[in-house]
Amino acid sequence: GAVVSQHPSRVICKSGTSVKIECRSLDFQATTMFWYRQFPKQSLMLMATSNEGSKATYEQGVEKDKFLINHASLTLSTLTVTSAHPEDSSFYICSARKLSGGVLTDTQYFGPGTRLTVL
Amino acid sequence: AQTVTQSQPEMSVQEAETVTLSCTYDTSENNYYLFWYKQPPSRQMILVIRQEAYKQQNATENRFSVNFQKAAKSFSLKISDSQLGDTAMYFCAFMGGPNDMRFGAGTRLTVKP
Repeated sequence: GAVVSQHPSRVICKSGTSVKIECRSLDFQATTMFWYRQFPKQSLMLMATSNEGSKATYEQGVEKDKFLINHASLTLSTLTVTSAHPEDSSFYICSARKLSGGVLTDTQYFGPGTRLTVL
Repeated sequence: AQTVTQSQPEMSVQEAETVTLSCTYDTSENNYYLFWYKQPPSRQMILVIRQEAYKQQNATENRFSVNFQKAAKSFSLKISDSQLGDTAMYFCAFMGGPNDMRFGAGTRLTVKP
């Protein structure tokens, strides 16, 4: 299997607070994970690529200091939205590439997403 | 930069009939992967089918098949014998580099009983 989980599934927070979202690969190792953002009725936009043991690579226009990514183990990546504001409200989805036999597969497996609402 | 275009924002099909979703892409690369993902109301992204660009044979997964035209940079998805559970958003995706997946805008498919 290739199951990816996210926690929490939804979170509501006050403006100015920080929120941490976890992404876990449950039954495989993932040296590379991805964080996407999806606005209502829109496509997925890649925010950053998370590599285990190294700094994340952010897409153009994504604020590194606002969206902190940590990939401390082969099964866990976290996204922290710092000083969240209402415009950060969105659906955040993570995905992971499976490491099989020492080779990264080309398929990304997606988590169920986290709905963030900032009041 | 690679771009993925899905020109059909919405489509509908009668149950048991066949529907084709269109996707075109733009790239200068020769080796890449193409995917169709399904996103039902639960928002969980589900892989429907994948195609390696170096393979000439079109991929098939049960009721789902693709028409991959590399020269035309076209990658359409055909759903045969449509079922109510196929109702979802469908995203076409292109992956060139190892960490570079780009999605199209999506097509909302409704299967009518």
